Amino acid sequence: KAGVTQTPRYLIKTRGQQVTLSCSPISGHRSVSWYQQTPGQGLQFLFEYFSETQRNKGNFPGRFSGRQFSNSRSEMNVSTLELGDSALYLCASTPDRGRNEQYFGPGTRLTVT
Amino acid sequence: AQSVTQLGSHVSVSEGALVLLRCNYSSSVPPYLFWYVQYPNQGLQLLLKYTTGATLVKGINGFEAEFKKSETSFHLTKPSAHMSDAAEYFCAVSYHDMRFGAGTRLTVKP
Repeated sequence: KAGVTQTPRYLIKTRGQQVTLSCSPISGHRSVSWYQQTPGQGLQFLFEYFSETQRNKGNFPGRFSGRQFSNSRSEMNVSTLELGDSALYLCASTPDRGRNEQYFGPGTRLTVT
Repeated sequence: AQSVTQLGSHVSVSEGALVLLRCNYSSSVPPYLFWYVQYPNQGLQLLLKYTTGATLVKGINGFEAEFKKSETSFHLTKPSAHMSDAAEYFCAVSYHDMRFGAGTRLTVKP
């Protein structure tokens, strides 16, 4: 079974631009979570989607948004990029909601200049 | 609220030595606890998990962890370190979402 895939793997953007990252979960997994990882703040939870609905949200500004499609694929969008948004963005999937282990993709490395 | 604290941001051991990575948790409900490993430029990979039942949990690559409720701890151990164990390790607790510790970078010296 294929793992979680994320595209693109690397991205360079300029301040003020917007960016969209994509995540395809493991086949059959319906829950997708997004995390931001930086050296200073570590792993921080962004949001979780299940059955096309946002079920949980971390403490991030409204510039960070996401969505999930009927095939469980998910996208996250960051508008008006700031230098501090440079990070590794990780996507993780689980079969259902609940306290299950998460399966992570390789991440998208976003650099904002 | 749920949270985890990993003691020691960096741990260095010699090849063949015992690996001990410390994790303490805080949870208002019976915790589900996890250890993940992250190699450079990769996502996180599950090492092991504790949900209920046996408090000594065995994982992949020879790692194990023991859930100690009285100490609110879930320390990760491996009897003999290998060079390939060098990576970053994250402890996590799950409730409505998964909360990760700050991570511990393990270095293995030859």
